[in-house]
Amino acid sequence: DAGVIQSPRHEVTEMGQEVTLRCKPISGHNSLFWYRQTMMRGLELLIYFNNNVPIDDSGMPEDRFSAKMPNASFSTLKIQPSEPRDSAVYFCASSFGTTMNTEAFFGQGTRLTVV
Amino acid sequence: SQKIEQNSEALNIQEGKTATLTCNYTNYSPAYLQWYRQDPGRGPVFLLLIRENEKEKRKERLKVTFDTTLKQSLFHITASQPADSATYLCALSVGGGSYIPTFGRGTSLIVHP
Repeated sequence: DAGVIQSPRHEVTEMGQEVTLRCKPISGHNSLFWYRQTMMRGLELLIYFNNNVPIDDSGMPEDRFSAKMPNASFSTLKIQPSEPRDSAVYFCASSFGTTMNTEAFFGQGTRLTVV
Repeated sequence: SQKIEQNSEALNIQEGKTATLTCNYTNYSPAYLQWYRQDPGRGPVFLLLIRENEKEKRKERLKVTFDTTLKQSLFHITASQPADSATYLCALSVGGGSYIPTFGRGTSLIVHP
């Protein structure tokens, strides 16, 4: 397996534009996580899916952020409209099982810059 | 409020020495604690997991301790090598139906040859 695959690796967009980040989890994993990492706040959980169902989205900053998981092999994180403060590295991670007593596998991340 | 604290200052050590990183937490009762390694421009990579009823876990040159009384985990790398230079993150999972891990901000380790 190629691991968790995220696209794009880098995204530069203008304030107000819509941004869509994509993630393909490891085949067979049933838990998927979206994280955001900044120097100031570290790695923050945005949303957690289990079996394609959003379980905890309390970390989603505001209504401008939305995430979907239409099937077991694909998830998107959308920001509309984007703002400069959304600039960060966004990671997708997947794991097998409903608990974190197993390891999470992270993708390479998407570095988002909103100008 | 809940806090996970890792030393924000980089840890500089000489090759061959043992590196010890600290993860302190407050207002948590974690069921699991994990350590991850993160290299620049890459996602975190899982290293070790330790459960609340375990005191110590080892894997090759790595050792993790978990003291729920002190609310602290120590991460040791013995016989450190320059290739061990990276940022190390601890992550806590509370359990009780909510196992979502919360990460500390990480400590940078620099091993000098």
